[in-house]
Amino acid sequence: DGGITQSPKYLFRKEGQNVTLSCEQNLNHDAMYWYRQDPGQGLRLIYYSQIVNDFQKGDIAEGYSVSREKKESFPLTVTSAQKNPTAFYLCASNNFSRTDTEAFFGQGTRLTVV
Amino acid sequence: QQPVQSPQAVILREGEDAVINCSSSKALYSVHWYRQKHGEAPVFLMILLKGGEQKGHDKISASFNEKKQQSSLYLTASQLSYSGTYFCGTETDSWGKLQFGAGTQVVVTP
Repeated sequence: DGGITQSPKYLFRKEGQNVTLSCEQNLNHDAMYWYRQDPGQGLRLIYYSQIVNDFQKGDIAEGYSVSREKKESFPLTVTSAQKNPTAFYLCASNNFSRTDTEAFFGQGTRLTVV
Repeated sequence: QQPVQSPQAVILREGEDAVINCSSSKALYSVHWYRQKHGEAPVFLMILLKGGEQKGHDKISASFNEKKQQSSLYLTASQLSYSGTYFCGTETDSWGKLQFGAGTQVVVTP
């Protein structure tokens, strides 16, 4: 079955540590996204990538980094520079077809700083 | 820039109707609607492309007013399963950069 997989589901980080969240899709989608969701709030765009080896900052990119070395993978690193990283992180992907840009989401990673 | 959704929350009794609005300050290429249940990933409902079309999915439908850069989601004869948070997502071009509003929490009670 095609889909988008995020791992791990839960992640605990100590203050000052970097952590990497995994996102893999087998939908052959061009674009991939990372969103952050805080309790009771919407989805804020962190980074997005439209093609391999290229990515763009979203609205809240500070303290995060990404890479897009393969079409199917878009890992997100939460660095120690991100002062308030506790949140629910969602990865999504879609295509650029004119009539079919439905975004598929992974099940999310809940990151907690301890 | 994120689209603006209203209202923030709505409480309905089963069988009642509701409208959720989504507006943007930029010209839109498309509007997406998703529903998220607590602790789960958002699930796609429908896409509306510029051209002012209207779509329906069971008793949930949506319209897109291209001139006003607004979209509305209509929940008709609501069911308990309609409870959740509804998000609109907007694209300003065909390159697929998708940005979401803050969401509208819908609670349907028996």
